[in-house]
Amino acid sequence: DSGVTQTPKHLITATGQRVTLRCSPRSGDLSVYWYQQSLDQGLQFLIQYYNGEERAKGNILERFSAQQFPDLHSELNLSSLELGDSALYFCASSVQGYEGRETQYFGPGTRLLVL
Amino acid sequence: AQSVAQPEDQVNVAEGNPLTVKCTYSVSGNPYLFWYVQYPNRGLQFLLKYITGDNLVKGSYGFEAEFNKSQTSFHLKKPSALVSDSALYFCAVSGNNYGQNFVFGPGTRLSVLP
Repeated sequence: DSGVTQTPKHLITATGQRVTLRCSPRSGDLSVYWYQQSLDQGLQFLIQYYNGEERAKGNILERFSAQQFPDLHSELNLSSLELGDSALYFCASSVQGYEGRETQYFGPGTRLLVL
Repeated sequence: AQSVAQPEDQVNVAEGNPLTVKCTYSVSGNPYLFWYVQYPNRGLQFLLKYITGDNLVKGSYGFEAEFNKSQTSFHLKKPSALVSDSALYFCAVSGNNYGQNFVFGPGTRLSVLP
């Protein structure tokens, strides 16, 4: 158990809908990262937050948004869903950001299926 | 723009033999390099990262990676493979130490045969 929790584990929804994925980092970790893994696109980095502020942005679509709250948990909002958004969404946490030398810890992922 | 190549889709190695999973990169400026592993039906795990300094980076589970600037490579190595090392391995590169243009490679499937 990495200490990073993600909810829900599975999500099935329809095209055009909006969903929210939640991530709780390990205790003491200030950074949260979001990643997407799909058959078409492989693994992609979406976005990173550090202590409530956006730190790095990857291939995140405009239909997607994220935030990190004062208690350091993070939410990834996906709207106007398309079939191609079906993927496994991982979050990870670490004490610092990518510049740190310490380990990132990953959650188990949320599997999203858009029908 | 940053890019990462993992030239082998699949690597097979016998248990107890040394293993190498290859990664080459292209980046403007100094590279920040990472290795991740995904075990079957499980999530991702971080193995190691190169920022600056020693060219040999030690990581989790006995893995290490060798940074070679002239060959723009960052190969993952382990002296003695275990069957439990069988997994999907991803190399990644960032254009700076804040995750700018962070890109994953396509992955290499490692099979360690008993």
